[in-house]
Amino acid sequence: KNEVEQSPQNLTAQEGEFITINCSYSVGISALHWLQQHPGGGIVSLFMLSSGKKKHGRLIATINIQEKHSSLHITASHPRDSAVYICAVAGNQFYFGTGTSLTVIP
Amino acid sequence: NAGVTQTPKFQVLKTGQSMTLQCAQDMNHNSMYWYRQDPGMGLRLIYYSASEGTTDKGEVPNGYNVSRLNKREFSLRLESAAPSQTSVYFCASNEGSAGANVLTFGAGSRLTVL
Repeated sequence: KNEVEQSPQNLTAQEGEFITINCSYSVGISALHWLQQHPGGGIVSLFMLSSGKKKHGRLIATINIQEKHSSLHITASHPRDSAVYICAVAGNQFYFGTGTSLTVIP
Repeated sequence: NAGVTQTPKFQVLKTGQSMTLQCAQDMNHNSMYWYRQDPGMGLRLIYYSASEGTTDKGEVPNGYNVSRLNKREFSLRLESAAPSQTSVYFCASNEGSAGANVLTFGAGSRLTVL
């Protein structure tokens, strides 16, 4: 069973494009996390949110608790945004999506 | 640098050998976790520790043991390594209960079992 589903699995974009990654979940949660993992690298936390919307630079994360859905948007994408983006939800434990692999081409 | 430090970064073992992955955090976090990451799968919890002196099994604990040595350190031991344990292992920590706080991850340990 997959408590967290992400789409798309893979995404290729041209530099400058607006990107959306989606996350749907099936469990009750206290918060949703977006994580970033560069190739061969560690995992860093981008956002933790439990309602509404958060923005850090060119990244925007939204969550709709009623629909159990979150989106991560990247505006004016850049090659350095190329990474795997992981959605994680926190209920009584953490549940992780399988990630969305993003490649931004110059 | 503040954060989670895990060692070693790379390790190759033969089937049946044992090893310990070390993890230490300097953020005074109560909760620590060990995950494994395999291609096509999300991070899976091996063991976690909600506080010093306590440990609990996660989703995939078979073949592993852990020790929460003190508040800072949480080690993962493979007593008799198997090829199925080839994976990338991540240690993580956060303050308090699972959802309420940001997870901080170590850089990962890539383990190959031949």
